[in-house]
Parts: sequence; C-alpha cells; structure tokens
Amino acid sequence: EIALTQSPATLSLSPGERATLSCRASQNVKNYLAWYQQKPGQAPRLVISDVSNRAAGIPARFSGSGSGTDFTLTISSLQPEDFAVYYCQQRYSWPLTFGGGTKVEF
Amino acid sequence: EIQLVESGGDLVQPGGSLRLSCTASGFTFSSYWMHWVRQAPGKGLMWVSRIHSDGRDTNYADSVKGRFTISRDNAKNTLYLQMNGLRAEDTAIYYCSRGVAAAGNPNWFDPWGQGTLVTVSS
Repeated sequence: EIALTQSPATLSLSPGERATLSCRASQNVKNYLAWYQQKPGQAPRLVISDVSNRAAGIPARFSGSGSGTDFTLTISSLQPEDFAVYYCQQRYSWPLTFGGGTKVEF
Repeated sequence: EIQLVESGGDLVQPGGSLRLSCTASGFTFSSYWMHWVRQAPGKGLMWVSRIHSDGRDTNYADSVKGRFTISRDNAKNTLYLQMNGLRAEDTAIYYCSRGVAAAGNPNWFDPWGQGTLVTVSS
C-alpha cells in the first residue's frame, strides 16, 4: 500500500499570503496524484487531478506540481474561502490512498 | 446540476447490518464507475469500494472485503453499499462519489455526495 505523507499538518496564514502544501508518496506514483479541499461540515471537493489539472470551477490561484514521489499544491494568494483541509490522493496502485491532510487556517 | 444524495446511515450494534443508498442525478449514471469513501469522525479519508458502470466489476479495501458488498441499479440511478458484520471501527461518514479521469482508470472522485453517518455501537 502506498502511503502519502502530507506536511505540514497545519499551516497558519493570512488572506493574501501564499500557501505551499506538500505530499510525499512512499513509492513512485508517476503523475497519478490529486488534491481535494474539505471545509467543515462539507464533503470533499476535487481541486487538482493528475498533478496539475484544475477541476471545473477551481480558480487559477490553485496550482499543482511535482512528479514521482514529491508533490506540491500552491495557493498563490489565499482568499477567505480557501481556509480548509486539503488531502492528496493517489490512483497509481491499489488500494487507492489518501494523505492525512493539511489544515490551512487563519 | 450533478447531485449525489446518500441515505441509510443509522446507529447499529456491532455485528449488525445496514444498507446505504446513493441516488444520482444530472449525469448519465450508467456510464460511470462509482465509489464509496468513508471518513471516521475527526479523521481522514479512506477509500472503501468501487463498481464498474455495468456492475460486473468491483473492488474493495482489505478492511471491508468479505463484509461489504457494492452494487448498483442503473435503471434507478442508484448505488448501494450492503454492510454486514459491522464493527466499531466502521463508524464513519460514508460518501458516494463518481469516478473520473482524463485518461486511464477513473479513480478520481468528482463530485461527492453530502454523506451519511454510520455509527456502530452497543
């Protein structure tokens, strides 16, 4: 099973600042990595798929990068609605696995 | 608008059974793989199961294999999860989600339903 380790666990930032979230895989997942956003009391929402493809309706301030085992989600200028928990997920091998999440807080 | 609405969550005793449902609308349900993903209270996400668009191929996480059964009724646009032999560690919000991908296996989750809470306790 591929383990995904996200860091930091919590990121304390202010609106307008840049957020950089990391996801490290225990094995090579090629480019089969996605990011999800989850706000309190809500279901997760797909943000980025295949490392860098923004999902429908996701603003351009969200970008993804990386390959192999090291991946990054960047939010260029945090907006109030971006404060949430972010999870990475791999689909390279079974079982599908998620990281433990990074909470972006104000 | 694409919608997924789960139902069936409840309080059940250890060893008991429950069937979850997920009703889809706004897209051609019969064309998509569908997944169940769960989230224990205050914890992260865990993939549970998936089913092919025609229902003939299924996969399960090891922790639920042999206890849970995923199925679908494409005529009713509905996905199911039959859960038997429930354990305390199965307590979670269960989300259904559509499987998508630009290429290859459709194992990204988009969108998600609002979830249904299953509590296993005596």
